[in-house]
Parts: sequence; structure tokens; C-alpha cells
Amino acid sequence: DVKVTQSSRYLVKRTGEKVFLECVQDMDHENMFWYRQDPGLGLRLIYFSYDVKMKEKGDIPEGYSVSREKKERFSLILESASTNQTSMYLCASSGESGHMNTEAFFGQGTRLTVV
Amino acid sequence: AQSVTQPDIHITVSEGASLELRCNYSYGATPYLFWYVQSPGQGLQLLLKYFSGDTLVQGIKGFEAEFKRSQSSFNLRKPSVHWSDAAEYFCAVGPTFSGGYNKLIFGAGTRLAVHP
Repeated sequence: DVKVTQSSRYLVKRTGEKVFLECVQDMDHENMFWYRQDPGLGLRLIYFSYDVKMKEKGDIPEGYSVSREKKERFSLILESASTNQTSMYLCASSGESGHMNTEAFFGQGTRLTVV
Repeated sequence: AQSVTQPDIHITVSEGASLELRCNYSYGATPYLFWYVQSPGQGLQLLLKYFSGDTLVQGIKGFEAEFKRSQSSFNLRKPSVHWSDAAEYFCAVGPTFSGGYNKLIFGAGTRLAVHP
């Protein structure tokens, strides 16, 4: 089974803290994604990566950065957490970019609360 | 611009009743279409996908979906709902290109409640 693992299910952080959300996949996938999920808004793409050390901004990158030093690991960084970043964060991975019919596999999500 | 619309935010059905969740998309070419399900506190699980060929697609857990190009729709159906189907359902369309790399666009989701 494909497995996408997010390091934390729940996190509570203070405003202004630097926050790291970690994601690891075991399927040797090229593409990895970070989404945030908010009620009524569905999933919105923050950043994605198509290769080690490569990244692309998604629809809502402001206030976030990412790191992909190894193929299996994709980290989302909140440089200075704010209360409006309280949300569910979902990591996903998918196969080669040239294979457009590959679906995304998701982790279980991290519910982040910024107080 | 590509987009996905799920017109129903909440749907409630009785256990054993039939179900149809609506999905409409806007896309400039032949899309790849997906339905995902999210149980409470969980990530998303793929129910089914359409790439080409037969427009009626079978998925897991007894779900099916029909691609109708003329209506730009990909509605999800199940003939008899079980209480365990209570979850949030997301329709997605792709690929959308950013620098040549494929990614999906998701609808806002439909939350399904099942009455015993």
C-alpha cells in the first residue's frame, strides 16, 4: 500500500512561532503537494514539488515556504505562525509528471491550531 | 480557467436510500476526473477515477460515477447508502499545468449525513 505519513495529527502553536510540518512518502513519487483545507473552501494548494530541491507556488503560498531535500520528504514551514493559519493541512504525493493519469495519495492530515 | 463546482454543501439521506452527489467542471480539454472521500479526522481516499473510455466508472465501496461531456458533469452515485458512508466527498479535475507539471483542482466538497 502507498503510504503518505504526516508527522503530527494535531499541533498547537503560539502566534509568531516557526512551525514545521513534515510529510514522508514511501512510493518513490516525483510529485508532492501541500494543501490546506477549510470548511466551505475545499482543498487549496499551497506549494508543490516535482523533484528534489524543486518547488512551485500553488494558489495560496503567502506565509508559507517548503523544503524538499530528499525525494521522500516534503516539509511545509510557517515562518511566523498567525491565527489565520489555523487549519487542516494535507500532504499528498503522485507519480511522474509525464503521466497525467496518476492520482494523488494523501496523508491523514495535521490539524494545526495557532493561539 | 479550470474549476470544479459541487453545488450541494450538505446532503442528508436515509440508510438504504439511493445517493447522487453532483459535480460540474470547467476545463478546456478532455479532463481526468476523480472522486475522493474523507472520513472524519482522516485524509482523502480515492473512490474512483475517469481518464477515457467507458463513461460509467465503477469504484470502491459500491460507488459509481458517470462522465457526461455535454453537461460537463461527473456525478457520483450509490444505489443503497450505508451509515458508514457518512463523510465528506470531493470531486477533482486535472491535470492543470503550472510550468508543465500536473496538479488537481478540487471542489469545495459535499458533506453527507446518513440517517438510520
